Amino acid sequence: DAGVTQSPTHLIKTRGQQVTLRCSPKSGHDTVSWYQQALGQGPQFIFQYYEEEERQRGNFPDRFSGHQFPNYSSELNVNALLLGDSALYLCASTFYGGRETQYFGPGTRLLVL
Amino acid sequence: AQSVTQPDIHITVSEGASLELRCNYSYGATPYLFWYVQSPGQGLQLLLKYFSGDTLVQGIKGFEAEFKRSQSSFNLRKPSVHWSDAAEYFCAVGASASGTYKYIFGTGTRLKVLA
Repeated sequence: DAGVTQSPTHLIKTRGQQVTLRCSPKSGHDTVSWYQQALGQGPQFIFQYYEEEERQRGNFPDRFSGHQFPNYSSELNVNALLLGDSALYLCASTFYGGRETQYFGPGTRLLVL
Repeated sequence: AQSVTQPDIHITVSEGASLELRCNYSYGATPYLFWYVQSPGQGLQLLLKYFSGDTLVQGIKGFEAEFKRSQSSFNLRKPSVHWSDAAEYFCAVGASASGTYKYIFGTGTRLKVLA
């Protein structure tokens, strides 16, 4: 049973560029959440997708957008990258509703120069 | 406002000693509480969770946590620490909205284990 997978593992971009990160949820899960973890901080909730729609959103600007595909996989897009976007981006999957635990992937480390 | 506070940024213990990591939360409704561990360069691994019922929760790797509603706390404990426990530990509360949950994390406690 594959867990949550993310790609790429590492990424280097320059300011102003755009980036796309990818996530495949744990088998059987239908809900994907994205978190940003800056160095030395706890993860911060970006948004959550279910049935290909954004269901919840944290306090992040519109430069951060996402998508969920019919197979439940998801993408996180960040436009007009800033130096402050450098972080570990974590994807988590679960079942929609109820009190199901979120399972996290290994993350994508983004460095913006 | 919903929040999680982990007062200790760093903790150092000797191998074999007992451990307690503190976590306080602020949440208006019944909280769903979690402890995760993160090794360097890795994602988050669930140690244990509290949804309801028995306030003393057992987790993996010999960890346990106790939910104390009166103190808004969910402290993590281990009776005897192993060198492999060195990592960063995060407490989180599950905040409900629109029928689903987002997690609010504390800033983490980095554990160092002395041989």
